[in-house]
Amino acid sequence: EAQVTQNPRYLITVTGKKLTVTCSQNMNHEYMSWYRQDPGLGLRQIYYSMNVEVTDKGDVPEGYKVSRKEKRNFPLILESPSPNQTSLYFCASSLGKGAYDEAFFGQGTRLTVV
Amino acid sequence: GNSVTQMEGPVTLSEEAFLTINCTYTATGYPSLFWYVQYPGEGLQLLLKATKADDKGSNKGFEATYRKETTSFHLEKGSVQVSDSAVYFCALRLNTGGFKTIFGAGTRLFVKA
Repeated sequence: EAQVTQNPRYLITVTGKKLTVTCSQNMNHEYMSWYRQDPGLGLRQIYYSMNVEVTDKGDVPEGYKVSRKEKRNFPLILESPSPNQTSLYFCASSLGKGAYDEAFFGQGTRLTVV
Repeated sequence: GNSVTQMEGPVTLSEEAFLTINCTYTATGYPSLFWYVQYPGEGLQLLLKATKADDKGSNKGFEATYRKETTSFHLEKGSVQVSDSAVYFCALRLNTGGFKTIFGAGTRLFVKA
């Protein structure tokens, strides 16, 4: 089954404790991205990757890191989480970078930083 | 800059009522337009899309027409069901500038039996 898999689904952590949210897709998609969803703000892009070893900042990259060592995986790293990073996070992938390419989303990771 | 504006919710309707969720956009170039739906506890999934002016996207009884002259992509359904209760996101995607998808804030729909 074609899917984007994120782990974990729920995470509660303390300020400053490094964490990684994993994302994997099995559709051989080139383009992957991370979004955060906050009430009233919709989804905002954090980082994106157009292919292996090619990543770039989205609209809200501060406090986050990503890597793309393999085509299927695109982990999101919070080196020193803070409470303002409490949010619902989504990983998404699409076949390419064409404007007509739909995005496929993971189930989401609800992160709480205390 | 590029942006998407959609009507604020929540929208509450009775079953079999007509649904319209307004969406307008601002974009440089020629975007593709999308509606995504998010059911409780799930990720977003594509509902329909249109890739050029005057295209109509349709799926599961929902429709939206790409109107370049009014920069709009309003979502409509003739008769909603309880199972349509969800959050609906209008979005655009350009083939420049990072190729990202830009989302509206989302509109929550409640359908009462």
